[in-house]
Amino acid sequence: GAGVSQSPRYKVAKRGQDVALRCDPISGHVSLFWYQQALGQGPEFLTYFQNEAQLDKSGLPSDRFFAERPEGSVSTLKIQRTQQEDSAVYLCASSLGQGQRGGYTFGSGTRLTVV
Amino acid sequence: GNSVTQMEGPVTLSEEAFLTINCTYTATGYPSLFWYVQYPGEGLQLLLKATKADDKGSNKGFEATYRKETTSFHLEKGSVQVSDSAVYFCALRPNDYKLSFGAGTTVTVRA
Repeated sequence: GAGVSQSPRYKVAKRGQDVALRCDPISGHVSLFWYQQALGQGPEFLTYFQNEAQLDKSGLPSDRFFAERPEGSVSTLKIQRTQQEDSAVYLCASSLGQGQRGGYTFGSGTRLTVV
Repeated sequence: GNSVTQMEGPVTLSEEAFLTINCTYTATGYPSLFWYVQYPGEGLQLLLKATKADDKGSNKGFEATYRKETTSFHLEKGSVQVSDSAVYFCALRPNDYKLSFGAGTTVTVRA
């Protein structure tokens, strides 16, 4: 597609439930990023993929968070046993270049609310 | 570490007013600097960028100059429109791939 597509747009989860958030990057984009944006804050880096390789997961807040990109295109961010503090907008971005090269295109995000 | 501090909002202006949003940063080395904009219901969009000291980024009437001596990258527009109502984020990227964002400034322009 023309842009980065994320689904679902909105997700309400009961505390303790597992969720999976999907990101379809722009076709051919090598780099893919996940960011977490809490209400009223700027996005915070979670993890970075170059093709299928997860090169940096230093921003994942706990071992309940897991991301994958098995074929180097679509990525899924999974959160296990969701907690209220996980409520945020999860943004995906992709880039044609590797690492620092190229500009980033962001998706519209998935708003997760944990009740 | 790397961090960005930007002017707190919300900011409310009348159409055709002058807009300034202050942004200062702390970083090692020589980061690239960015302004992103987030319109209601949409994703972050790159508004402008500057990659080295004294560079001026500009787009859609917005401008920002990379000031190394004051570690600043203030965003300005001379005459705002209602369509400029959005949340604006200042961000930096040092010599790797991570973007560090400020907290965002909500701008509302009234007709």
